[in-house]
Amino acid sequence: DAKTTQPNSMESNEEEPVHLPCNHSTISGTDYIHWYRQLPSQGPEYVIHGLTSNVNNRMASLAIAEDRKSSTLILHRATLRDAAVYYCILSKISGGYNKLIFGAGTRLAVHP
Amino acid sequence: SQTIHQWPATLVQPVGSPLSLECTVEGTSNPNLYWYRQAAGRGLQLLFYSVGIGQISSEVPQNLSASRPQDRQFILSSKKLLLSDSGFYLCAWWPGGGQGNEQFFGPGTRLTVL
Repeated sequence: DAKTTQPNSMESNEEEPVHLPCNHSTISGTDYIHWYRQLPSQGPEYVIHGLTSNVNNRMASLAIAEDRKSSTLILHRATLRDAAVYYCILSKISGGYNKLIFGAGTRLAVHP
Repeated sequence: SQTIHQWPATLVQPVGSPLSLECTVEGTSNPNLYWYRQAAGRGLQLLFYSVGIGQISSEVPQNLSASRPQDRQFILSSKKLLLSDSGFYLCAWWPGGGQGNEQFFGPGTRLTVL
């Protein structure tokens, strides 16, 4: 299974933009790139996903490299509630089900 | 709207005791269901998935088992718990269709085996 590599931790100040990088050099042509985040003692929460083109939603933006070997999750204005572990995940359909392979993620700290 | 429930929220069990964790989904039909485990400070590990009633696939060999007796009910069990079974257990569902659809996670069960 293709894997992702993320920094263990990052820090940001409130109201500033945050760029969370992810490397996925072994991505295959049909793998989607998903981002989830997890607050302490809660289940993961979907953030955004994409295949080839950059994506925007109300939570964040996803910038995907042209060769798809890396991507960046962009939080435009970090808030204290954005402090969480962010997971970059490659999603594939295998045997009729959607398989998500979680790595260790990036722990984001947001300072007031 | 769809909701996913897990219970109990927390559980403390002695080594060698049995386990039963339950997950139910409301507001959808024929979902794909998943059980994940998260050890302290780690990412999620997929344990089991199910595409329909009575259909269970295992990702990792272990002393746990899963069952799906009803369309929207998924149960994780063990006959004899090990210390290494401690962790945060998460149930998730996926509506199917394309890979762009997200997985929805439940609130989790924190299991401590002593």
